[in-house]
Amino acid sequence: GESVGLHLPTLSVQEGDNSIINCAYSNSASDYFIWYKQESGKGPQFIIDIRSNMDKRQGQRVTVLLNKTVKHLSLQIAATQPGDSAVYFCAEKTSYDKVIFGPGTSLSVIP
Amino acid sequence: DGGITQSPKYLFRKEGQNVTLSCEQNLNHDAMYWYRQDPGQGLRLIYYSQIVNDFQKGDIAEGYSVSREKKESFPLTVTSAQKNPTAFYLCASSIRTGGAFPNTEAFFGQGTRLTVV
Repeated sequence: GESVGLHLPTLSVQEGDNSIINCAYSNSASDYFIWYKQESGKGPQFIIDIRSNMDKRQGQRVTVLLNKTVKHLSLQIAATQPGDSAVYFCAEKTSYDKVIFGPGTSLSVIP
Repeated sequence: DGGITQSPKYLFRKEGQNVTLSCEQNLNHDAMYWYRQDPGQGLRLIYYSQIVNDFQKGDIAEGYSVSREKKESFPLTVTSAQKNPTAFYLCASSIRTGGAFPNTEAFFGQGTRLTVV
């Protein structure tokens, strides 16, 4: 597969368990955040987004939590499945309309 | 099927050569973007274009060039001036946002892995 996953933090979870992937963002004035999923050899896919006026948003099997006090974002995946194995990364939009992408976390699901 | 297509998937370049990476979309998106992805790092913006015949430098434009002659196409040329071109290159498109940030409905291509030999 592609080497995008090298040197990344790795999270291994048992199939069926919940996964929590964390992201520390850099700019306290950032007002919009996105989580992406990138499977090996493929381009990133949008998972879920959240605006800075919210602290939680839920999607299908995924929840994003935003803690502006400590500039922390997390992605929770319920009932993790083998198809969830991928690199997950967050992106933040700063007040200058600039986007900063995090390096990502590699999620490995153990059947 | 609507989508965004990058080609080739793998590309090899000799030292001192220019190479062009293709990015085509049939989503009728105004905005297109080129990113570079290196192991252990986040995506970095190379160039972006919000409209035909107009494009802007991103954070790491040195050694790269682009053109936007058609709405559907946004080719990236990696020139010999790019000192470390080996990377995974991603193209994305979205509706026009007025800035360098792709809309939530941004679609990414499958990427081109460029290797200098």
